[in-house]
Amino acid sequence: GAGVSQSPSNKVTEKGKDVELRCDPISGHTALYWYRQSLGQGLEFLIYFQGNSAPDKSGLPSDRFSAERTGGSVSTLTIQRTQQEDSAVYLCASNAARKLYGYTFGSGTRLTVV
Amino acid sequence: EDQVTQSPEALRLQEGESSSLNCSYTVSGLRGLFWYRQDPGKGPEFLFTLYSAGEEKEKERLKATLTKKESFLHITAPKPEDSATYLCAVQAQGGSNYKLTFGKGTLLTVNP
Repeated sequence: GAGVSQSPSNKVTEKGKDVELRCDPISGHTALYWYRQSLGQGLEFLIYFQGNSAPDKSGLPSDRFSAERTGGSVSTLTIQRTQQEDSAVYLCASNAARKLYGYTFGSGTRLTVV
Repeated sequence: EDQVTQSPEALRLQEGESSSLNCSYTVSGLRGLFWYRQDPGKGPEFLFTLYSAGEEKEKERLKATLTKKESFLHITAPKPEDSATYLCAVQAQGGSNYKLTFGKGTLLTVNP
């Protein structure tokens, strides 16, 4: 597609439920990133994919968080047993990893855990 | 650990009143410094990449400059549509050179 697409744009879930957030990157972009933006905080790195592999998962806050990427394209970020502190905007970005230029970000998923 | 500090946190300007936003950074070898603009409810939009001290880039009313310790985003004669949060990020050399470390941003409001 023309841009990075994320769905849903908003998600309200009850504490303890599992959620799945989807990212569809720009076609041909081999690198994909997930970041989290909490109120009053800077963007926080979560995970990096190169193709379908995730060489860096160091930013995932706990084992309740996992992500996968299939076909070198769509990625899903899953949060199990959601907690209130998981409330944030989850941003996905992609780029052609061999080039040094800024990522292209999606519009994000605003997750609210009640 | 790479760090980025942006100041001020918020800035209010009158239309036409020029000013600068600051981004101070510490990084173990700079690969690139990035400026993004973020509108409410949207993802960050790429503006500039700067690679080395002394480099400058311009786009419309915006000019970004870089020294060895900080970057400035100069806004000349701003308009209300320039209102947004401006984010600065650094990318380090080395094994994690794909990762961006972001500051918390400067919320710019331009009043007509």
